[in-house]
Amino acid sequence: GQQVMQIPQYQHVQEGEDFTTYCNSSTTLSNIQWYKQRPGGHPVFLIQLVKSGEVKKQKRLTFQFGEAKKNSSLHITATQTTDVGTYFCAGPRIGTYKYIFGTGTRLKVLA
Amino acid sequence: EAQVTQNPRYLITVTGKKLTVTCSQNMNHEYMSWYRQDPGLGLRQIYYSMNVEVTDKGDVPEGYKVSRKEKRNFPLILESPSPNQTSLYFCASSSSGSTDTQYFGPGTRLTVL
Repeated sequence: GQQVMQIPQYQHVQEGEDFTTYCNSSTTLSNIQWYKQRPGGHPVFLIQLVKSGEVKKQKRLTFQFGEAKKNSSLHITATQTTDVGTYFCAGPRIGTYKYIFGTGTRLKVLA
Repeated sequence: EAQVTQNPRYLITVTGKKLTVTCSQNMNHEYMSWYRQDPGLGLRQIYYSMNVEVTDKGDVPEGYKVSRKEKRNFPLILESPSPNQTSLYFCASSSSGSTDTQYFGPGTRLTVL
């Protein structure tokens, strides 16, 4: 079945360092969404990418959707302690309204 | 305030004792969904609903039931809970399904002994 893997599973960085998480789907996605889940919290929507090759920025966060619409990345520049949490990519299975989430990348930022 | 609410937030129960986790949204959303979250597995969709009286299975529906009699409510029913259903459960809603932001409830931590 369709799978969405994220790497790395965990990442510890020093505050101020950059961070990137990669999301890889076994099949084409019609769109991809990114969510952030703080420790003990619930997933919160960050952004949605729809077009092939699309790049979007939110302050220090840069999101990219691959040309083949099978992979995506989230890059954080100059991490801060407020960036701590688990980042998930997610998207609907093609032709359905079923959602599949990536396995998540847990980010720890050391002050 | 726009929100998704879930009750209870925490529940410890025993094998075989039927339980219901409620979910309600006040945003007039058509799409609602249940997920379970387990370490290392991310979130997996249990059931979803496109509208009133329209529900369908997600990836892990075994052992669960849902109903959508009203637009705002989407309860998750475990008729005979088992220990492998111990998990963190999230309800989510969105305006119209696969192209819209999903808003998540606060989660229900369920332990089945």
